[in-house]
Amino acid sequence: EIVLTQSPDFQSVTPKEKVTITCRASQSIGSSLHWYQQKPDQSPKLLIKYASQSFSGVPSRFSGSGSGTDFTLTINSLEAEDAATYYCHQSSSLPQTFGGGTKVEIK
Amino acid sequence: EVHLVQSGAEVKKPGATVKISCKVSGYIFSDYYMHWVQQAPGKGLEWMGLIDPADGETKYAEKFQGRVAITADTSTGTAYMELSSLRSEDTAVYYCATPGYSSTYPCDYWGQGTLVTVSS
Repeated sequence: EIVLTQSPDFQSVTPKEKVTITCRASQSIGSSLHWYQQKPDQSPKLLIKYASQSFSGVPSRFSGSGSGTDFTLTINSLEAEDAATYYCHQSSSLPQTFGGGTKVEIK
Repeated sequence: EVHLVQSGAEVKKPGATVKISCKVSGYIFSDYYMHWVQQAPGKGLEWMGLIDPADGETKYAEKFQGRVAITADTSTGTAYMELSSLRSEDTAVYYCATPGYSSTYPCDYWGQGTLVTVSS
């Protein structure tokens, strides 16, 4: 099973700051890494697919990078509506797995 | 437009079985895979398994193997997730999510979630 380790677990950020979340895979997964945003009492929403491709309708301040085992989600100029928990997800091999999540709080 | 609508909240006793439905619209049901994901209160997302509705082939996470059954009814466009021998640790929100034509695609459509509470 591929383990995805996200860091940090929690981040408190002021609006307009830049947020960087990392996801490390226990073995190479190519670019089969996706990022989701989940707000309280809502279903997860796809933000970034295949490490760096923005999903339709996602604001341009969200971007992703990486390949192999190390991946990054960046939120440029954080807005209040970005308060949420962010998860990475690998679809390279079964069982598919998710990272533990990173909660982003607005100061 | 694609929609996944799940059945309502359930309260079950330990040892019981729960069956949750996920009815789809906006696409041909048998064309897209379907995943099921568990989220315990205050915890992260955990992949449970998937089904190819076209032929009923399933894959399950080892953690749930033997207790979970994912099925698909192509006549009604509905996927089901049945979890048996329930215990308190199964208290969670369960989501269906579709990745589209390939099981390796990301999940771009999710159901609203179904809360299952296991309590004596």
